[in-house]
Amino acid sequence: QLQLQESGPGLVKPSETLSLTCTVSSGSISSSSYYWGWIRQPPGKGLEWIGNIYYSGSSYYNPSLKSRVTISVDTSKNQFSLKLSSVSAADTAVYYCARLEGATGFDYWGQGTLVTVSS
Amino acid sequence: DIQMTQSPSSVSASVGDRVTITCRASQGISNWLAWYQQKPGKAPKLLIYAASSLQTGVPSRFSGSGSGTDFTLTISSLQPEDFATYYCQQANSFPYTFGQGTKLEIK
Repeated sequence: QLQLQESGPGLVKPSETLSLTCTVSSGSISSSSYYWGWIRQPPGKGLEWIGNIYYSGSSYYNPSLKSRVTISVDTSKNQFSLKLSSVSAADTAVYYCARLEGATGFDYWGQGTLVTVSS
Repeated sequence: DIQMTQSPSSVSASVGDRVTITCRASQGISNWLAWYQQKPGKAPKLLIYAASSLQTGVPSRFSGSGSGTDFTLTISSLQPEDFATYYCQQANSFPYTFGQGTKLEIK
């Protein structure tokens, strides 16, 4: 069974860069069938798509975050990563990584990790 | 961006009831719509993809329909484990967008 696991600091200071990694196990991130994505959810609120990446490195970002977001992939480690710069309290959220099969939906999710932006 | 609007925002129902949640897209998305179930403290779970295809392992009491701009998720006979928040998501074009969620509560 495919598993995804987010990792990274749970507390980030305002104006700094949030960095998270998603490790994929029991499956290959290099499969040509899938994209890999990041989604976030502020406490008590709805879901926001951040962006997707393909194993080749091609990526798509939410325009609302595009100037601050970088998603990268490391196929040798079966991982993909999220960097969000110049964070503020509005970026406090549970961050999920997930697998996307074409345009069908996110079928596997990590458990999520809460990142709090505070000094 | 394509806006996704769900209704109702919340609904109260009893075990055994039939419940329908609707999702409207601000422009046509063909059938590129997914439905998710989320329980408190858990990641969303994919229920339906391509508007009407049941994800493997999801009970058959869940069904989806619609195309273009109007979609529905129906739970034919509510079970205790179905009380959760439900989200629709369009996968027609970037940026992918989600509905605001529908909270299904026990009456």
